[in-house]
Amino acid sequence: GAVVSQHPSWVICKSGTSVKIECRSLDFQATTMFWYRQFPKQSLMLMATSNEGSKATYEQGVEKDKFLINHASLTLSTLTVTSAHPEDSSFYICSAPSGGGSHEQFFGPGTRLTVL
Amino acid sequence: AQSVTQLGSHVSVSEGALVLLRCNYSSSVPPYLFWYVQYPNQGLQLLLKYTSAATLVKGINGFEAEFKKSETSFHLTKPSAHMSDAAEYFCAVTKGGSARQLTFGSGTQLTVLP
Repeated sequence: GAVVSQHPSWVICKSGTSVKIECRSLDFQATTMFWYRQFPKQSLMLMATSNEGSKATYEQGVEKDKFLINHASLTLSTLTVTSAHPEDSSFYICSAPSGGGSHEQFFGPGTRLTVL
Repeated sequence: AQSVTQLGSHVSVSEGALVLLRCNYSSSVPPYLFWYVQYPNQGLQLLLKYTSAATLVKGINGFEAEFKKSETSFHLTKPSAHMSDAAEYFCAVTKGGSARQLTFGSGTQLTVLP
């Protein structure tokens, strides 16, 4: 199946700094990608839909100025956590639809963010 | 709007026993349903999907699920549990058509006892 990669796989940063997480579709193009957040022992919560060539669509309650999303190309979406705080520590996962009519999504391996 | 309810946040079975993980959905339109598995500190892997074709869906690693519209259920089963099946399992739903967003259930942690 198709592969989605994320970089970095884990990151530790100081409070107040910004962190960028990359999501790449390696062998297919994705005009849309999704960003999820997962707290320990909890489910995935959709944060935003990343759209190539246009602004991201954020879910209710997600601060768009804090979680900046840029869909730079058909294979790359980035999530930047600005002015990170300890409560932003979480597991961030991206996904990309397979295209066509399968309605399958391919998930990245996730990025563990720890804010000190 | 769609929603998914997974009954039982933790399920324990003995190795070789039947695995049954429950999922009920709510959707105003015919749903597409998925089961994903997540191992610690990893992303999600698709086990199987229902997309309005056969109601009994077979997936990877010996798992299968049956779509029952009358019960609004999509329970995941495996006849004989293996130690390697221990993981977190998520049921998810999306609308048909062009919609791509997934709504996930709360997850079920499966423990396999030796």
